Amino acid sequence: GAVVSQHPSWVICKSGTSVKIECRSLDFQATTMFWYRQFPKQSLMLMATSNEGSKATYEQGVEKDKFLINHASLTLSTLTVTSAHPEDSSFYICSASGGRGVNTGELFFGEGSRLTVL
Amino acid sequence: GQNIDQPTEMTATEGAIVQINCTYQTSGFNGLFWYQQHAGEAPTFLSYNVLDGLEEKGRFSSFLSRSKGYSYLLLKELQMKDSASYLCAVRDGDYKLSFGAGTTVTVRA
Repeated sequence: GAVVSQHPSWVICKSGTSVKIECRSLDFQATTMFWYRQFPKQSLMLMATSNEGSKATYEQGVEKDKFLINHASLTLSTLTVTSAHPEDSSFYICSASGGRGVNTGELFFGEGSRLTVL
Repeated sequence: GQNIDQPTEMTATEGAIVQINCTYQTSGFNGLFWYQQHAGEAPTFLSYNVLDGLEEKGRFSSFLSRSKGYSYLLLKELQMKDSASYLCAVRDGDYKLSFGAGTTVTVRA
């Protein structure tokens, strides 16, 4: 079945450093990937839509210069949190549609990356 | 913006039935999804409704009424492993998927 892999699963970094999170679709090509952020006991909030070969589309209130998204190929999208601060600590989840879910538009989620900024 | 409402918490005993309601108001509609999320993990797909009616999948069923902006997820024969958060998500006219805050279901022995 369709699988999306995301890593790292856990990352702890110092304030001011940058962190890169990778999201790969393992057995299907994903022209579009989505990045979500989830704070404890809250819902998934869409941050941006990542399109292969073009600029990402960011949701209102999400700083594009802080959350850099690159979708270099049909199977890989990366999210870089630049100059991370403690308030950026969150659970970041990527997702993609395609594969066996292409008819319904079902999203397949990566395992998530828990970022803690000290 | 989108408005998706679902109860915060529900508790039930093993073997029982739980119905989680979801109401939504979105700009356009292109399907409603239910996802299960265990703590600290990514969501996993449970069901998809785009037409009115009931979709049954084993112990889980999902219902949709587009005219009422309403859906429910029915969990039958509850098992301890069903303790999780259940997310209602609606795809709007622009094909963006928005999530409700989730309903935490606790199954007790």
